[in-house]
Amino acid sequence: EVQLVESGGDLVQPGGSLRLSCTGSGFTFNTYSMNWVRQAPGKGLEWISYVSSDTYIKYYSDSVKGRYTISRDNAKNLLYLQMKSLRVEDTAVYYCARDHAEDGGFFDLWGQGTLVTVSS
Amino acid sequence: DIQMTQSPSSLSASVGDRVTITCRASQTINSWLAWYQKKPAEAPKLLIYKASDLETGVPSRFSGSGSGTEFTLTISSLQPDDFATYYCQQYKTYSKTFGQGTKVEIK
Repeated sequence: EVQLVESGGDLVQPGGSLRLSCTGSGFTFNTYSMNWVRQAPGKGLEWISYVSSDTYIKYYSDSVKGRYTISRDNAKNLLYLQMKSLRVEDTAVYYCARDHAEDGGFFDLWGQGTLVTVSS
Repeated sequence: DIQMTQSPSSLSASVGDRVTITCRASQTINSWLAWYQKKPAEAPKLLIYKASDLETGVPSRFSGSGSGTEFTLTISSLQPDDFATYYCQQYKTYSKTFGQGTKVEIK
């Protein structure tokens, strides 16, 4: 089955750090660019980060630039999001999402999400 | 960043109704627009890409149109499974942005 499964969400204090993981299966992971998208409680979807299939190109939204780091391990079919200096407003469900293979830029496969709660 | 504005923010409709959602971009995005369906506690689902291309497996009652700065998603005959929130997303720039969402509720 073609799927993405996130893990690592937790309750963390403001200023803390957390690493999320996303495992891809059922497709050739190392040929797809990948993204992280989040949804805060009661809010809409927000794209936050992108990594190319070969790991050389990375982009971040202004809201997380300098605090979050995206990476991947193609040998293990894993995507990561290292988050530091977490803020209350980073509380959200975090989704990993696969870029469309041919056109790119939009997301044709999503995980179920993992909840990050930043609170004291 | 390119701002995406959807209207309406919510709507009430009945099964069988024709529903239209509008998405406007703050600058031209050509046809680099996707539409997603989101239900609570579920992953978003891709419906439309390149403004009007239907994703494989998506029912043909969904259609998209537009280019430049104004786009529409149309559901030709609303079904019970269609009650959800719909989001547009531009991908003209590397900094992808979503609309704020349109919640389709049962009348």
